[in-house]
Amino acid sequence: ETGVTQSPTHLIKTRGQQVTLRCSSQSGHNTVSWYQQALGQGPQFIFQYYREEENGRGNFPPRFSGLQFPNYSSELNVNALELDDSALYLCASSSPSDGNTEAFFGQGTRLTVV
Amino acid sequence: KQEVTQIPAALSVPEGENLVLNCSFTDSAIYNLQWFRQDPGKGLTSLLLIQSSQREQTSGRLNASLDKSSGRSTLYIAASQPGDSATYLCTTGGQAGTALIFGKGTTLSVSS
Repeated sequence: ETGVTQSPTHLIKTRGQQVTLRCSSQSGHNTVSWYQQALGQGPQFIFQYYREEENGRGNFPPRFSGLQFPNYSSELNVNALELDDSALYLCASSSPSDGNTEAFFGQGTRLTVV
Repeated sequence: KQEVTQIPAALSVPEGENLVLNCSFTDSAIYNLQWFRQDPGKGLTSLLLIQSSQREQTSGRLNASLDKSSGRSTLYIAASQPGDSATYLCTTGGQAGTALIFGKGTTLSVSS
């Protein structure tokens, strides 16, 4: 059984640019959630995808968008990057529709905006 | 709106001590409670998941309890080791599929 994998592990972007982060969910999991973790803080919910549809969203602006593919992998896209977008971005997978509510996280992508 | 608080924010103990990390939450209508470990700059490792109908879960030297009525959970670590040094995060889950709400974590340092 493969775990949750994220790519890339580190990324440096310039303010105003766009970025795409990727996540492969754990085998058999159909739900992917994205979180942003600023330094010294707990992760904050960005949004969740279930069967290729957005299934909940946190308090993040529309320039944060996502996709989920038929194989349940997912992308997080951030447009018009701002300095405050610098954070660790975490992807979590689960399968609550199957009664499996335990969330498993990837190793994260460290995004630095300069 | 659910709020999760973890106390203390930081804890330093000598190797071998037993210790307790505390987590409190404001809305008792939770679906589950999960404890994670996070090493610096890394992702989250799931330690224990307690369903809302359960009172506690155990894994090795770790024991987590849940008291929904009082809005509290504790993570007990027995015979601490330097390898236990990390940040421990508590999170509550609502209905299946909803967002996890995290506390800010307790940073544990175990000295040899």
